[in-house]
Amino acid sequence: AQSVTQLGSHVSVSEGALVLLRCNYSSSVPPYLFWYVQYPNQGLQLLLKYTSAATLVKGINGFEAEFKKSETSFHLTKPSAHMSDAAEYFCAVSLYSSASKIIFGSGTRLSIRP
Amino acid sequence: GAVVSQHPSRVICKSGTSVKIECRSLDFQATTMFWYRQFPKQSLMLMATSNEGSKATYEQGVEKDKFLINHASLTLSTLTVTSAHPEDSSFYICSASGGRGRPEAFFGQGTRLTVV
Repeated sequence: AQSVTQLGSHVSVSEGALVLLRCNYSSSVPPYLFWYVQYPNQGLQLLLKYTSAATLVKGINGFEAEFKKSETSFHLTKPSAHMSDAAEYFCAVSLYSSASKIIFGSGTRLSIRP
Repeated sequence: GAVVSQHPSRVICKSGTSVKIECRSLDFQATTMFWYRQFPKQSLMLMATSNEGSKATYEQGVEKDKFLINHASLTLSTLTVTSAHPEDSSFYICSASGGRGRPEAFFGQGTRLTVV
């Protein structure tokens, strides 16, 4: 069975600083990996996805993530944090190219200090 | 990206009544939709997978008689919380599979259910 583990339930960075949110996955077959963002009382918005093409994936709002098979990781980064980045971030995994259920990590709350 | 609309966004109901939540894919056909439940400050828990024209597949521990799912068309799935109790109060989110070749899912805005 596939799963994802997010290290750190809460991350706080200063505005303008590097954002690094960690995610490790477990899967018996090559996975599809995602990062989603959730703002309070809203649904989830897809930030980026890995689908076995390029290992460095660029997403919206300046975020990117790198798939590292040797480390079974898919960490999310952004060079310079903005106040509007404060939200809950979820790493997720699925196995198939379509109609497959997506399994979510426990989430990481990102806070931005002025 | 594809648009999924969920309605209502917020509902308050009395204990013992039933509540229906709708999930619509607005610009694509979704043969598969998913229903999640989210408790405060927690992740999304998959409740069931809804397939158009067939019975939903429920995750272990989810009461199928309490959470009725209907997926009668390629653009609409509904979740009905029957005989709601205060412990059913939660944030419910639906998602629709992006379709062939698109592994990501697209999410509705969520429904905040409060049972009083």
